[in-house]
Amino acid sequence: GQQVMQIPQYQHVQEGEDFTTYCNSSTTLSNIQWYKQRPGGHPVFLIQLVKSGEVKKQKRLTFQFGEAKKNSSLHITATQTTDVGTYFCANPGGGNKLTFGTGTQLKVEL
Amino acid sequence: DAGVIQSPRHEVTEMGQEVTLRCKPISGHNSLFWYRQTMMRGLELLIYFNNNVPIDDSGMPEDRFSAKMPNASFSTLKIQPSEPRDSAVYFCASSGTPRGNSPLHFGNGTRLTVT
Repeated sequence: GQQVMQIPQYQHVQEGEDFTTYCNSSTTLSNIQWYKQRPGGHPVFLIQLVKSGEVKKQKRLTFQFGEAKKNSSLHITATQTTDVGTYFCANPGGGNKLTFGTGTQLKVEL
Repeated sequence: DAGVIQSPRHEVTEMGQEVTLRCKPISGHNSLFWYRQTMMRGLELLIYFNNNVPIDDSGMPEDRFSAKMPNASFSTLKIQPSEPRDSAVYFCASSGTPRGNSPLHFGNGTRLTVT
């Protein structure tokens, strides 16, 4: 699959502030997955979005899939230090090939 | 569930030496992936297998890289000869079905340093 672009590349926030990362594709995606990688760790699956306009929530995390299925976002409300890490979106290509986006590195300061 | 198991966790070797990375996928998973992660290039898919058969190796950078999956519970990624630019974290991941909507489960990775 074509690599999706993520913005921003880095984000520093104060604890309690909100955070959003965006993934954009030039082509329509069949679905999109989100992963989190803690510093020094490995990517961990968070969620998958499949339907146009889909919105899913996991506690303070809100995931959206665009109506045209070309973009997606992850929003964290009231960040905590435990949210620190790099967030990746990933899109499937031919077969079950999964291509990861460029990632957004989040740092949360007290 | 033991998760995906990779070994070694760290490998330091000299340029020109052979390096072998090992992976044991989650039992019952049909697909296995090898990724490489660097600051410059992010997470790159090197190769993946479905039911022990290599499906796409277009991400393998050079002939120096080879991967095998002799059975459903074991895979290796070999670099021969290794070069300093191969220094990276290599992740193995597995998924339950050979379909494009199955989440990946990653191992802890092998941090390779080639001097």
